[in-house]
Amino acid sequence: DTGVSQNPRHKITKRGQNVTFRCDPISEHNRLYWYRQTLGQGPEFLTYFQNEAQLEKSRLLSDRFSAERPKGSFSTLEIQRTEQGDSAMYLCASSLEITDEAFFGQGTRLTVV
Amino acid sequence: QKEVEQNSGPLSVPEGAIASLNCTYSDRGSQSFFWYRQYSGKSPELIMFIYSNGDKEDGRFTAQLNKASQYVSLLIRDSQPSDSATYLCAVIGLNQAGTALIFGKGTTLSVSS
Repeated sequence: DTGVSQNPRHKITKRGQNVTFRCDPISEHNRLYWYRQTLGQGPEFLTYFQNEAQLEKSRLLSDRFSAERPKGSFSTLEIQRTEQGDSAMYLCASSLEITDEAFFGQGTRLTVV
Repeated sequence: QKEVEQNSGPLSVPEGAIASLNCTYSDRGSQSFFWYRQYSGKSPELIMFIYSNGDKEDGRFTAQLNKASQYVSLLIRDSQPSDSATYLCAVIGLNQAGTALIFGKGTTLSVSS
């Protein structure tokens, strides 16, 4: 296991289409985070999982966004009816326990045209 | 709303100098503190973490934590051009509903040779 893996690395989609991203965390990591990052900003928290349970979802997150982590392993982030404002880097990170350091994947860059 | 504040910079230092990066946080119950480095177009990578008041040293890096003042800093000694990047402060709390890892917007460091 070499780290957190995200797919795809790049996604270009037309406005109004649905997209789904996948994250495979480091094996045995219980926590999994999703962030969104735009140019010049820090990672903006979207949601996180403790095993298969989604424990928190940012108030800023539109209802168009949904995330799952079936069986507490990989996770998917879906964006429905994409908008140009959704264009960003979507980052996934995982950590072993609550207070442990989180390790990031390489991200998925979404461009909505 | 938990917040993490950083001066966006840019912070410019000559090669060999000490770079000092600062961060304040709003959640007094925060327990764990992290510094990440992010090169342009790349995902954040962990540099250091600190849990207790005081200093923690790792090579050229020193993290300093003052929970009473809700302040955490990162010192980089003998700065190198390769240290030029954006440095992200991140904080996690345990005494409120929701224990997500929250990031500041980052400070851009430029080290000139």
